Amino acid sequence: GQSLEQPSEVTAVEGAIVQINCTYQTSGFYGLSWYQQHDGGAPTFLSYNALDGLEETGRFSSFLSRSDSYGYLLLQELQMKDSASYFCAVDLNRDDKIIFGKGTRLHILP
Amino acid sequence: DTGVSQDPRHKITKRGQNVTFRCDPISEHNRLYWYRQTLGQGPEFLTYFQNEAQLEKSRLLSDRFSAERPKGSFSTLEIQRTEQGDSAMYLCASSNPADRPTGELFFGEGSRLTVL
Repeated sequence: GQSLEQPSEVTAVEGAIVQINCTYQTSGFYGLSWYQQHDGGAPTFLSYNALDGLEETGRFSSFLSRSDSYGYLLLQELQMKDSASYFCAVDLNRDDKIIFGKGTRLHILP
Repeated sequence: DTGVSQDPRHKITKRGQNVTFRCDPISEHNRLYWYRQTLGQGPEFLTYFQNEAQLEKSRLLSDRFSAERPKGSFSTLEIQRTEQGDSAMYLCASSNPADRPTGELFFGEGSRLTVL
């Protein structure tokens, strides 16, 4: 089977940095994505890693280690609007079958 | 283009009835995905299409679920003989493989199904 593991909840303080981890065990792997979903909203794409290393997009960065089947999303200078659920997703094959983790609920304290 | 649109946004039905959801993807996107999401969970893969070809259907999906994309544009997801366990948000997403390697999926706002 396929599994993507991420913490169910994380709490951080406004202005701080938080890291959300994702480990995966899948039959195939082409890349790791991260999505953000606010309550009542649709998931929106944040980042994608196909190769090992760090990808930076503004306040958000994402890291991948293929040898460890591990990645993380790093959020810097946290803002209250970052309170949301964050999902890691694995692209399983060349036809882009994409499966999602169960998500991490990020709570931000003022 | 206004993005991925789904219809209806909400559907309340009685157990045993059939329901159909429609998804209109972004026009130049030839990949289309259906996911199911329940409260506090991540999107669960149901099926996906490359143009009109259905590439895979989840083995977790019973025969009561069927999806089509007859002309490679819009798609429908039908659930026959609905059960209370089918209550969920049904999400549609589309992508353009030519935009790889970002792998970005564009999601619609979803169709919420409540089975009484």
